[in-house]
Amino acid sequence: QKEVEQNSGPLSVPEGAIASLNCTYSDRGSQSFFWYRQYSGKSPELIMSIYSNGDKEDGRFTAQLNKASQYVSLLIRDSQPSDSATYLCAASGYSTLTFGKGTMLLVSP
Amino acid sequence: GAGVSQSPSNKVTEKGKDVELRCDPISGHTALYWYRQSLGQGLEFLIYFQGNSAPDKSGLPSDRFSAERTGGSVSTLTIQRTQQEDSAVYLCASGDYEQYFGPGTRLTVT
Repeated sequence: QKEVEQNSGPLSVPEGAIASLNCTYSDRGSQSFFWYRQYSGKSPELIMSIYSNGDKEDGRFTAQLNKASQYVSLLIRDSQPSDSATYLCAASGYSTLTFGKGTMLLVSP
Repeated sequence: GAGVSQSPSNKVTEKGKDVELRCDPISGHTALYWYRQSLGQGLEFLIYFQGNSAPDKSGLPSDRFSAERTGGSVSTLTIQRTQQEDSAVYLCASGDYEQYFGPGTRLTVT
């Protein structure tokens, strides 16, 4: 059974702080990893993808991947209230994605 | 360009009725996925289409659920004899590597 685990939260951070979201996965064969943001009542929106060990930066977002530890993280710098949402981590297998249940992030002004 | 579209956005049906949900993927995407998301729950994979290959139906929860994809583009998810536990948001995604989601169809079975 392929699993992706995330802390459900909520993770509360003040505006301007760094938010750190974490994810572990069970399938060592997973090659690609994705972070989606889902606002309440909306569909998931892809914000980051990462395929190689190390860091990948895109604006205020940095994804980190450690395949040896089967660990993926998302850092959000200078967090804004508009970043308040549920963040879904996903790992790809041969053809489909396995999603975690998401971590709720709350950024307070 | 245009994203994934789904219709209807909301559907209320009576228990025992059949429903059809439609998905228009992003033009050129050969892969199409259906998921459902129940209130407060994660995304549950239902079915996957890749080009002209046989679909991966491994996530369909029962034989009341079926899906087809015509001409490698539009897909229809059909739920027969709906039950209250079928109430959820049904999401379609397309993408040959990264998946992009449509807005979803909120199904309520009364």
